[in-house]
Amino acid sequence: NAGVMQNPRHLVRRRGQEARLRCSPMKGHSHVYWYRQLPEEGLKFMVYLQKENIIDESGMPKERFSAEFPKEGPSILRIQQVVRGDSAAYFCASSPKLYRDHNEQFFGPGTRLTVL
Amino acid sequence: DAKTTQPPSMDCAEGRAANLPCNHSTISGNEYVYWYRQIHSQGPQYIIHGLKNNETNEMASLIITEDRKSSTLILPHATLRDTAVYYCIVRAGGSNYKLTFGKGTLLTVNP
Repeated sequence: NAGVMQNPRHLVRRRGQEARLRCSPMKGHSHVYWYRQLPEEGLKFMVYLQKENIIDESGMPKERFSAEFPKEGPSILRIQQVVRGDSAAYFCASSPKLYRDHNEQFFGPGTRLTVL
Repeated sequence: DAKTTQPPSMDCAEGRAANLPCNHSTISGNEYVYWYRQIHSQGPQYIIHGLKNNETNEMASLIITEDRKSSTLILPHATLRDTAVYYCIVRAGGSNYKLTFGKGTLLTVNP
């Protein structure tokens, strides 16, 4: 059973360009979470999605960032008009249905975005 | 979610037990203690979680004090591959899905 897959693993963009990060959850998982890790910091929650629905985007910056998880295909985190401060590691996690007491999230290897 | 406090770094000799402490004095009754680790340049990996009883799995043991204000993650026989940042996270059960990562403890296992 393949784990959570993310691509690309490394992405370099110039200021003003767009960045698209992809996440394929584990087989059978319908919940996807995106986290951002700035240099020397812990991971910060960004957004939680189920198929075709954004459940919680409270951790997403208000502008330039968007996320989707279509019925078919991977989840996409999109950053428009990137700035140097967007340079970070972006991790995706997935989980099966939400259990009452335990929700283990399985993380992907991350995408390291560098903005020049 | 309750706040956690961990030492920034610890060292351990290979083959010895690694005991990683975590304080969570404001934990409430429905909050679980989770441990994840992040090996350099990789995504976080779930280790173990517990509510009030001690827990053990193939990776580690989790000891939670009776008042639940602190816990200890034990790696019984640390190897060089256990060198990582270890995060202690307190989170409510049910549908609370956000993991709030602090700065964790950098455990260095030395040969």
